[in-house]
Amino acid sequence: KQEVTQIPAALSVPEGENLVLNCSFTDSAIYNLQWFRQDPGKGLTSLLLIQSSQREQTSGRLNASLDKSSGRSTLYIAASQPGDSATYLCAVDNAGNMLTFGGGTRLMVKP
Amino acid sequence: SQTIHQWPATLVQPVGSPLSLECTVEGTSNPNLYWYRQAAGRGLQLLFYSVGIGQISSEVPQNLSASRPQDRQFILSSKKLLLSDSGFYLCAWSVGAAGANVLTFGAGSRLTVL
Repeated sequence: KQEVTQIPAALSVPEGENLVLNCSFTDSAIYNLQWFRQDPGKGLTSLLLIQSSQREQTSGRLNASLDKSSGRSTLYIAASQPGDSATYLCAVDNAGNMLTFGGGTRLMVKP
Repeated sequence: SQTIHQWPATLVQPVGSPLSLECTVEGTSNPNLYWYRQAAGRGLQLLFYSVGIGQISSEVPQNLSASRPQDRQFILSSKKLLLSDSGFYLCAWSVGAAGANVLTFGAGSRLTVL
């Protein structure tokens, strides 16, 4: 059974810092890995999707990497802003879009 | 463009009462549909998924059921709610080959059972 772990559970940084969120998974036989953002009381917004054959994906200030063999992914946020404050969730797809989610990292960027 | 709607957005129900949460998708055909639950202090858990009308698969045994009466409609139900059914329920959809596409989520329905 796939297990997804995210470290740290919570993170508080001053505005402008570059930061890295970590995600690890136990079963490397994945189709893809997705990073989502969730604002309090809201649904999930997909940020980046990395296919199993890819190493990384970039969107604006966000860069996600995938090392399938070691069961790890990182989400790099450059020049963080207060608007980046949210919970970030990673999820792996082992079987046709049935995602297994990590517990999330709650990020606070202080002005 | 595709959109996904969930309602109601919030719901407060007494223990033992019935439940119906509805999810509809617009702008696509034959989507895969999913119900997830996010309980307080816990991660997102897949409850049900459907690859077509009348085709429902359950991931975990529970007090809930799901139905797909139309191609783009997915309903989550319960005959008698339990306190443990409280949580944030998210509907999602995808199309295409397995693993090839992003899962898109609705805004969620917050259920409080008292």
